[in-house]
Amino acid sequence: AQTVTQSQPEMSVQEAETVTLSCTYDTSESDYYLFWYKQPPSRQMILVIRQEAYKQQNATENRFSVNFQKAAKSFSLKISDSQLGDAAMYFCAYRSPRANSKLTFGKGITLSVRP
Amino acid sequence: DAGVIQSPRHEVTEMGQEVTLRCKPISGHNSLFWYRQTMMRGLELLIYFNNNVPIDDSGMPEDRFSAKMPNASFSTLKIQPSEPRDSAVYFCASSLAGRGGTQYFGPGTRLLVL
Repeated sequence: AQTVTQSQPEMSVQEAETVTLSCTYDTSESDYYLFWYKQPPSRQMILVIRQEAYKQQNATENRFSVNFQKAAKSFSLKISDSQLGDAAMYFCAYRSPRANSKLTFGKGITLSVRP
Repeated sequence: DAGVIQSPRHEVTEMGQEVTLRCKPISGHNSLFWYRQTMMRGLELLIYFNNNVPIDDSGMPEDRFSAKMPNASFSTLKIQPSEPRDSAVYFCASSLAGRGGTQYFGPGTRLLVL
């Protein structure tokens, strides 16, 4: 079974600075999908970024980018130019390539942004 | 697109009562997932449907929980009878079928069982 580990329960960043959130996972599959979801106080789960394991290029979405290290089974999220609205809980998630398979989530990390 | 719609957004009920949570997936999506989020267990999958057919219900905690998807645009998750330990946020998510389908979540239903 796949597992996702987010070992840092909390992080803090100064507004306009850069922060990196860590995630590791364990799987025996060679092809899979990785995601970062953001959960603000409203509880809505918002997709931030997605990475396909067979693509070597790291995914980027505006101020959000990932550092995907397949051999190390590491998938970190970098937030550049942090904004107050980035304050939220962030979840790393794994999905098998099997059609319609479930997401396996890490426990999440709470990010606070200091003005 | 309206996104995934869930109702009610908040539900407070007393132990023993029946609770029904509702979900409307994104139009055109043919896979639907029910997740539960608690402080103790985090986010966990309860059940998912593909083309209205339940595929994996191994996450359903016990017989008190049941889920249906009578058509492509509607699903329900029912708890009968409810217990305080069922208090959680329940999310519905939908995706297109296939390898690369990204799951999009609804706003969730916050359930409190007294």
